[in-house]
Amino acid sequence: DIQMTQSPSSLSASVGDRVTITCRASQSIKNYLNWYQQKPGKAPKLLIYAASSLQSGVPSRFSGSGSGTDFTLTVSSLQPEDFATYYCQQSYNPPHNFGQGTKLEIK
Amino acid sequence: EVQLVESGGGLVKPGDSLTLSCAASGFTFSNAWMSWVRQAPGKGLEWVGRIKSKTDGGTTDYAAPVKDRFTISRDDSKDTLYLQMNSLKTEDTAVYYCSRWFGELLSGYKYYYMDVWGKGTTVTVSS
Repeated sequence: DIQMTQSPSSLSASVGDRVTITCRASQSIKNYLNWYQQKPGKAPKLLIYAASSLQSGVPSRFSGSGSGTDFTLTVSSLQPEDFATYYCQQSYNPPHNFGQGTKLEIK
Repeated sequence: EVQLVESGGGLVKPGDSLTLSCAASGFTFSNAWMSWVRQAPGKGLEWVGRIKSKTDGGTTDYAAPVKDRFTISRDDSKDTLYLQMNSLKTEDTAVYYCSRWFGELLSGYKYYYMDVWGKGTTVTVSS
């Protein structure tokens, strides 16, 4: 099975900051990588698929990059509504495991 | 409106069985691949399994912790996805989400992602 590891596990930042979250796969997954945002008590929401394709309706301040085993999610200028938990997920082979999550908190 | 609504959660004892349902609307369910994802209290997301459309073989894949205990099935005549859970353990306690596992063709390759989610149903396994 492919294991997904995110870093950091938590992150404190301020509105307007640029933040980057990293996701590493235990083997190459090419660019079969998705990013989701989850707020407390809510279902996850798709942000990025195929490592760098922005889901329709998602603000352009979110971007993704990477291929092979190393990926990043960047938020160019944090907005109050971006404070949430972020998960990466590989869609290369089942089981389609998630990373453990990165909780983005207000500083 | 594209929508998924889960139901069937509740409190059960270890060793019991339970079946969750997920009613789909607003899209052609029979063409869709579907997934279940769960989230234990205070924990991260865990992929449970996926079922392909019948035209793509209708096959299933499961995460190791649930393989041989959980079964995903579908009734395309009712636009409904199911998760049958047997031999439940306390560690199966979670919110269970169903989602659409959508495939998009990009540059000749098909990329899958979960683009539609239900609100979830809570399963508590406790003696």
